[in-house]
Amino acid sequence: AQSVTQLGSHVSVSEGALVLLRCNYSSSVPPYLFWYVQYPNQGLQLLLKYTTGATLVKGINGFEAEFKKSETSFHLTKPSAHMSDAAEYFCAVSVYSGGSNYKLTFGKGTLLTVNP
Amino acid sequence: NAGVTQTPKFRILKIGQSMTLQCAQDMNHNYMYWYRQDPGMGLKLIYYSVGAGITDKGEVPNGYNVSRSTTEDFPLRLELAAPSQTSVYFCASSRMNTEAFFGQGTRLTVV
Repeated sequence: AQSVTQLGSHVSVSEGALVLLRCNYSSSVPPYLFWYVQYPNQGLQLLLKYTTGATLVKGINGFEAEFKKSETSFHLTKPSAHMSDAAEYFCAVSVYSGGSNYKLTFGKGTLLTVNP
Repeated sequence: NAGVTQTPKFRILKIGQSMTLQCAQDMNHNYMYWYRQDPGMGLKLIYYSVGAGITDKGEVPNGYNVSRSTTEDFPLRLELAAPSQTSVYFCASSRMNTEAFFGQGTRLTVV
């Protein structure tokens, strides 16, 4: 069974500092991986995704993530944090689960705080 | 572009009451999902559907029921509401093995 682990339920950075949000997955088959962002009282919005091909993927708002199969990781980064980046971030994995079924499983989320 | 529409946005239920959370999507997606979100717990899958007439249980299906009579609609039914079902509920849809699109959520309180 696949699962997603996000290290750190709360990350705090200063404006302009590097943002690093960690995500590890467990899967017996190559997964599709996603990062979502959730602003207060809103639904989830896709930041970026990895399906196949290039392991470094770029998303919206200057975020990027690198799929590292050997480390089963898909960490999210942004070189310079902005106040508007303050939100909760979710890593998710979609894995084939038999028949024509795929399941989308989420991590517990990481709340990012950006300090002025 | 409506995307995924959930109704209602807020609801207060008394213990033992029942209700249906509505979800509709206009993107012709075959996959639809219901998640619940509790503070610090991420999103937990309640039920999902891979197409009209096909539904399957997720991680936390107890106390809920779903149906999928059309591609567009995927209602979630709560029978005999309990305080443990106080949560924010999200509906989502996707094509097979691609990113999911989410509704704005329904905030449910059971008192």
